[in-house]
Amino acid sequence: DIVLTQSPALAVSLGQRATISCRASQSVSISRYNLMHWYQQKPGQQPKLLIYRASNLASGIPARFSGSGSGTDFTLTINPVQADDIATYYCQQSRESPTFGAGTKLELK
Amino acid sequence: EIQLQESGPGLVKPSQSLSLTCSVTGYTITSGYDWSWIRKFPGNKMEWMGYISYSGSTNYNPSLKSRISITRDTSKNQFFLQLNSVTTEDTATYYCASGSAPFDYWGQGVMVTVSS
Repeated sequence: DIVLTQSPALAVSLGQRATISCRASQSVSISRYNLMHWYQQKPGQQPKLLIYRASNLASGIPARFSGSGSGTDFTLTINPVQADDIATYYCQQSRESPTFGAGTKLELK
Repeated sequence: EIQLQESGPGLVKPSQSLSLTCSVTGYTITSGYDWSWIRKFPGNKMEWMGYISYSGSTNYNPSLKSRISITRDTSKNQFFLQLNSVTTEDTATYYCASGSAPFDYWGQGVMVTVSS
């Protein structure tokens, strides 16, 4: 299995930039496709797709969310952070049998 | 917009089978997409369990392959999860979702507890 490693938590101030990282145990890129996706989950709700294939914004997602990366290192950026963004963020790879990171809880500083 | 809704028992006894239904509206499951089951354990670990494609083929997580079956009823636009020989370690919130790479739309989830 491809193991995805995320930091457990990140504290940020409203209006500032949040950078959430995800490192894969092996490359999740094939040719020009970076097979990493990002989800947001709030308590009591289902996960919501934010970013697909590393850098593509999902439908209806605000432009303050962006993604980057290739190979084994990927980043989700939220800029500026709003109160509604307080949630847990998961990365997920589809290079092989899908696996998820353990999630990064975004907290207010 | 695609909407998914899980249903099924919230309590299952150890060694029995867990059976869940996902009802899809807003899209016909034979038109496209893979249709997946994903679970989230207490402590937040998430695990993809498997999918059934729009054509009816299936793909399962190797760790579950001996216990899992995903089927569908195209007349009702539903797909199903059956997980056999459950243990307390199968206690989780179970989600159905459209897609497999990525998971585009998710149901609200159903919490299933395995306990005697």
